[in-house]
Amino acid sequence: GAVVSQHPSWVICKSGTSVKIECRSLDFQATTMFWYRQFPKQSLMLMATSNEGSKATYEQGVEKDKFLINHASLTLSTLTVTSAHPEDSSFYICSARQGYNEQFFGPGTRLTVL
Amino acid sequence: QKEVEQNSGPLSVPEGAIASLNCTYSDRVSQSFFWYRQYSGKSPELIMSIYSNGDKEDGRFTAQLNKASQYVSLLIRDSQPSDSATYLCAGRYAGGTSYGKLTFGQGTILTVHP
Repeated sequence: GAVVSQHPSWVICKSGTSVKIECRSLDFQATTMFWYRQFPKQSLMLMATSNEGSKATYEQGVEKDKFLINHASLTLSTLTVTSAHPEDSSFYICSARQGYNEQFFGPGTRLTVL
Repeated sequence: QKEVEQNSGPLSVPEGAIASLNCTYSDRVSQSFFWYRQYSGKSPELIMSIYSNGDKEDGRFTAQLNKASQYVSLLIRDSQPSDSATYLCAGRYAGGTSYGKLTFGQGTILTVHP
């Protein structure tokens, strides 16, 4: 299958700081990228969908000013958690797809906000 | 009713047995279906995709799609302890504002015991 990478794999930050997570498709061009969040023992929750060169579309209840998404190229999308708070601590997972093909997940980023 | 519903778990099978995982889907979900495996603390990994009615085999895995009955299944032959994980059934929305996005079942926890 196709390879999607994420960086960093884990991050610890202080409350009020911002954190940027990168998602890259390594061997295919990702026309669409997705950002999910997953709390322990819960299902994946889709946060937003981004198409290359377009603004991201956010799911209901997800604050677009808090979770900034940029999809500037066909291989890179970034998620910035602004003014992070302890309740933002979670497992953030990106996913990428070329056209309407299969969707591949990155390894995830575990965010802990102190 | 959820768009994709998985059979209740957890499921426990002895090593070497066949594990059978099932899910049903609603009319809102298209004919594209995916099975993901998620180990504890890790991100989902795509193991099978199926688009056409019938069976699709890949090694020890067989996915089955029955459009008339609106169900999808995954059979794992010769189950190994390393197959122990949560299995997620996913379908793609057929239209509306969620067109193209995946919707996931609640997951089935599989344990293969030696």
